[in-house]
Amino acid sequence: EVQLLESGGALVQPGGSLRLSCAASGFTFSSSAMSWVRQTPGKGLEWVSAISADGAATYYADSVKGRFTISRDNSKSTLCLQMSSLRAEDTAVYYCAKVLFGAGYFPYWGQGTLVTVSS
Amino acid sequence: EIVLTQSPGTLSLSPGERATLSCWASHSVTSNYVAWYQQRPRQAPRLLIYGASSRATGIPDRFSGSGSGTDFTLTISRLEPEDFAVYYCQHYGSSSWTFGQGTKVEIK
Repeated sequence: EVQLLESGGALVQPGGSLRLSCAASGFTFSSSAMSWVRQTPGKGLEWVSAISADGAATYYADSVKGRFTISRDNSKSTLCLQMSSLRAEDTAVYYCAKVLFGAGYFPYWGQGTLVTVSS
Repeated sequence: EIVLTQSPGTLSLSPGERATLSCWASHSVTSNYVAWYQQRPRQAPRLLIYGASSRATGIPDRFSGSGSGTDFTLTISRLEPEDFAVYYCQHYGSSSWTFGQGTKVEIK
C-alpha cells in the first residue's frame, strides 16, 4: 500500500523559514517523480513544486520560485520542501503527492501538513 | 498559462440523481493531460479520472469523464451518499500543473 506521510508543518512568522518532509513507502520511491501541492484554508488546490525521480530536474510555481527548494533523499525515501521568506499567503495545508510526469496527474496523496504564517 | 474554470460552483442534487460538472480551459489543451479529483471533508484529494476519460484504479463506473479541446466534463450517473464532495479538474503542461477552483456537490 502506498503511504505518504508529511511532517514539519508549524506556525511561523512572516519572513521565516520552515522545512517540510514526506516519508514514502509502498512503492519504489527512487523511480518516482514527486510533488508538493498546497491548499489554502477553505480554498482550492495549487501546485507548488515537483522533482524528477533522480532529483536532477526541479520545477516550481511562479508564486514560490526563488523562495522554496524541493529535494529528495532516495536512500531514505524522503521528499523535502525547504521554505524561506514565508508570507501570509503561503498559509496552507501542504500535500506530498506522487506524480506521473508522462501522464501529468497525481495518483497518490499524503494527508497533508498545515503551515501557518502569522505574527 | 492555462486557466481552468469550473462550473457550477455548487451543485445541489439528491441521491440517485445525475451530476454533470464542467471544466473549461482558457486555451485548447491536450486531453491526455486532464484529470479529475474528488475531495471529501478533511481528506486529501483522490484521483478519479486521468487522460480526460480513464477511470483510476478502484473508481466506480458511475464516474465518467469526457471532453476535448477546451471543454471537459465529469459525470456521476447516480449520486451515492459518499459522492457529495468537492471535485477539481487539473491540467498538466510545460512542466507545471493547474487546478480548477472546484465544484461542490451538495445534498439538496
